[in-house]
Amino acid sequence: KAGVTQTPRYLIKTRGQQVTLSCSPISGHRSVSWYQQTPGQGLQFLFEYFSETQRNKGNFPGRFSGRQFSNSRSEMNVSTLELGDSALYLCASSSTAPGQGVVDTQYFGPGTRLTVL
Amino acid sequence: AQSVSQHNHHVILSEAASLELGCNYSYGGTVNLFWYVQYPGQHLQLLLKYFSGDPLVKGIKGFEAEFIKSKFSFNLRKPSVQWSDTAEYFCAVNAKYSSASKIIFGSGTRLSIRP
Repeated sequence: KAGVTQTPRYLIKTRGQQVTLSCSPISGHRSVSWYQQTPGQGLQFLFEYFSETQRNKGNFPGRFSGRQFSNSRSEMNVSTLELGDSALYLCASSSTAPGQGVVDTQYFGPGTRLTVL
Repeated sequence: AQSVSQHNHHVILSEAASLELGCNYSYGGTVNLFWYVQYPGQHLQLLLKYFSGDPLVKGIKGFEAEFIKSKFSFNLRKPSVQWSDTAEYFCAVNAKYSSASKIIFGSGTRLSIRP
């Protein structure tokens, strides 16, 4: 099976702009999570989607949003970019289905490196 | 709330030395435990995981980890490291019985191996 893919791999934006990142999960995986990785804060959970619904959200401002499509692909959007948003944004997919009660392994994509100037 | 502590931020070893990276977690319920590795320029890869059963878990590339429930620990070990093990290692936990897959990561341990 192909792994998790993320596009684009690199992005350079300026303050105030908005950005959209895309993630395609492993075939058959319906759960998609997003994480932000920075040298100072490490890996932090942003949000999780399953069946086009946000199931869980981390402690990030409302400028960070996401959505999931019927084919399980997910997008993440950051509006009004700030310098501190520069980070590696990681997407992970899992076969976990809410309601089944047991959480499965998450597999990560290569990430999108966002630089805000 | 769940949390994960990795006490070693940077470990430097010579080739063939033995490795042990510490990981402690805080969570009141049943957990799944993971070690992920991030090689320079590469994405996060699963090294090993513990879901249930034998608390000594073997992963890829000769790594193993032991879950000690009474100590809330999941330390990573390798008897003899190689230069190619140079990477950042992340311990992680999530709630086993949950409607969400959210993983909580430790701050990571950077491992540098001297040839």
